[in-house]
Amino acid sequence: DVKVTQSSRYLVKRTGEKVFLECVQDMDHENMFWYRQDPGLGLRLIYFSYDVKMKEKGDIPEGYSVSREKKERFSLILESASTNQTSMYLCASSTSGGALETQYFGPGTRLLVL
Amino acid sequence: AQKITQTQPGMFVQEKEAVTLDCTYDTSDQSYGLFWYKQPSSGEMIFLIYQGSYDEQNATEGRYSLNFQKARKSANLVISASQLGDSAMYFCAMREGNPDSGAGSYQLTFGKGTKLSVIP
Repeated sequence: DVKVTQSSRYLVKRTGEKVFLECVQDMDHENMFWYRQDPGLGLRLIYFSYDVKMKEKGDIPEGYSVSREKKERFSLILESASTNQTSMYLCASSTSGGALETQYFGPGTRLLVL
Repeated sequence: AQKITQTQPGMFVQEKEAVTLDCTYDTSDQSYGLFWYKQPSSGEMIFLIYQGSYDEQNATEGRYSLNFQKARKSANLVISASQLGDSAMYFCAMREGNPDSGAGSYQLTFGKGTKLSVIP
């Protein structure tokens, strides 16, 4: 079974703090993704990576950065957390090609920024 | 214009009945993929079913089937014999382009979801 894990299920941080969200997958997938999910807005892509050290901006990259030093790990960084970054963050991974490109998701991290 | 439209914010279905969740999409690509995910209240997104644009047969996975009508650009999810555990949010998503060709997009675009409640 594909397994995608995220470092925290719940996180509470203060405005201005630097926040790291970690994601690890065990299926040797090339592609990894970070989304945020907000009520009424659905899932929106923040960043994705198709290879180690490679990254591409998604629809809402402002205020975020990412790091992919190893194939299995993809980190989302909030350099200076703000209250409007309170959200559910979902990590996903996939390989490429037809049905194989299915994205598999982690359990999510609910982040509250006070 | 929205690329994925789910017009039903909420649906109710009686246990053991079948239910159809609607999804329409908008793309000018010839090659694309359509996905359905389930999100229970616990938060994880669970992959249910996939349909490729060139697949001639409708996809099926156990109690889930995808009613794919290409000309109408619709990809409705049908859940047969509903169970209480089917109560969840359901999301339709689309990947445009063909990653195998190197020119495709890896990105999934999601609809806003439908909340399904199964009544005992």
